[in-house]
Amino acid sequence: DAMVIQNPRYQVTQFGKPVTLSCSQTLNHNVMYWYQQKSSQAPKLLFHYYDKDFNNEADTPDNFQSRRPNTSFCFLDIRSPGLGDAAMYLCATSTTRAGANVLTFGAGSRLTVL
Amino acid sequence: GDSVTQMEGPVTLSEEAFLTINCTYTATGYPSLFWYVQYPGEGLQLLLKATKADDKGSNKGFEATYRKETTSFHLEKGSVQVSDSAVYFCALSEGGGYALNFGKGTSLLVTP
Repeated sequence: DAMVIQNPRYQVTQFGKPVTLSCSQTLNHNVMYWYQQKSSQAPKLLFHYYDKDFNNEADTPDNFQSRRPNTSFCFLDIRSPGLGDAAMYLCATSTTRAGANVLTFGAGSRLTVL
Repeated sequence: GDSVTQMEGPVTLSEEAFLTINCTYTATGYPSLFWYVQYPGEGLQLLLKATKADDKGSNKGFEATYRKETTSFHLEKGSVQVSDSAVYFCALSEGGGYALNFGKGTSLLVTP
C-alpha cells in the first residue's frame, strides 16, 4: 500500500545531541510537511516543501532544519535538542497546496530528550 | 489569526451511545474544515471534510455540518462502537492556503 513511513518511531537523545528523523513516501506527492505535536496540544506546522521549494514557518526555531534530497524522502534535523523539544513529530504529504487538500500522515516519531 | 477550539476530553461513552464533539473556529475568510482521526499507534487520517457553508461531510457514520453563522463544525455519530475509540482533531485551512490549523484533539473512549 502506498503510504508515509516515519523512522524511527521512538527516538531517545541527550540534551544537545543532534538527532535526525526521517520520512519516506510512496505516494509521489509534491508536498511534504513536518508538524510538531506536544502532549495535549494541537499539531503545529514547522515547515513544508513544495517539490524542492522550502517554506519555513515564521515561528519555527532555527534549531530545526529540514532536507528533501528527492521526492520520496524528507528529513527533520534537530541540531541541539532541548528538553522543550520532546514531542511527537508528524510527517505528512499532499498532492497540492490548495486550501481544501487532504494530508496523508505517517504514524509519527516520538522524541524523548534526557 | 485562524484558530480552532475543540471540547476538552477525554470523552467516555458506552457502545451505541450518541456522540457529539464540539468544534468552533475563528477565521478571516472562508476556510475549509476537516475532522481527522488518530487511532492508537497510527497516524492522523482524514475522517471527513466540508469546503463551504452548509456543506455536510460524512464518513463511517460520522457527520459534521459547516455552520458559518455559528462558526462551528461539530462532529456527530448516532451510535458509537468500541472501534471508534481514538483521538479526533478538528482542523481548518484558509482558502488558498496550505497550512492546516488543528485543534488540540479530543480523546474518545467507547466501552462495551
